[in-house]
Amino acid sequence: AQSVTQPDIHITVSEGASLELRCNYSYGATPYLFWYVQSPGQGLQLLLKYFSGDTLVQGIKGFEAEFKRSQSSFNLRKPSVHWSDAAEYFCAVALLSGGGADGLTFGKGTHLIIQP
Amino acid sequence: DSGVTQTPKHLITATGQRVTLRCSPRSGDLSVYWYQQSLDQGLQFLIHYYNGEERAKGNILERFSAQQFPDLHSELNLSSLELGDSALYFCASSAGTGGGTEAFFGQGTRLTVV
Repeated sequence: AQSVTQPDIHITVSEGASLELRCNYSYGATPYLFWYVQSPGQGLQLLLKYFSGDTLVQGIKGFEAEFKRSQSSFNLRKPSVHWSDAAEYFCAVALLSGGGADGLTFGKGTHLIIQP
Repeated sequence: DSGVTQTPKHLITATGQRVTLRCSPRSGDLSVYWYQQSLDQGLQFLIHYYNGEERAKGNILERFSAQQFPDLHSELNLSSLELGDSALYFCASSAGTGGGTEAFFGQGTRLTVV
């Protein structure tokens, strides 16, 4: 079964600094890859997704992610964080085949703290 | 606003009781997914319905069941509740069933079992 690992439970970044959140997946083929953000008391919002093609994908709120097949990674980046980026970030995968009927498999999440 | 509506937002109930969580998907979306988010297990997929039919089951307990009605809204029924069932339950909807179809999440129902 596929799995998703987010090695960093918490990350603290100063406002204006760059950010990279790590995500590794385990799956026999290239899955669909997603990054979601969850603000306190809110549902999950899709930041970006990767299916195929260009390995660098752009998302909303200035985020981007790079798919690296050789490393089974899909790290999320932002060049300059804002205080409003403080939230929980989830990496997720869906099956490439099988119609995705099984839903998403999520990592445990990374809690992002922004220092003023 | 994702367009997915979940009610109620909060629910407090006693062990052994039964509750029903409701989800209204985005207009036009045929798929509804249910997820459970807890501190120890994280976000886990429970079950998927597409146009009224069950398509897939994840880590859903036998005490839990779901259905999707002709108007496409869905209900998640949780029975014989235990303290460990306390969690945030999310509903998500999407237009289709493909793995690449973007899922839109509701704000969740926070269930507290006392």
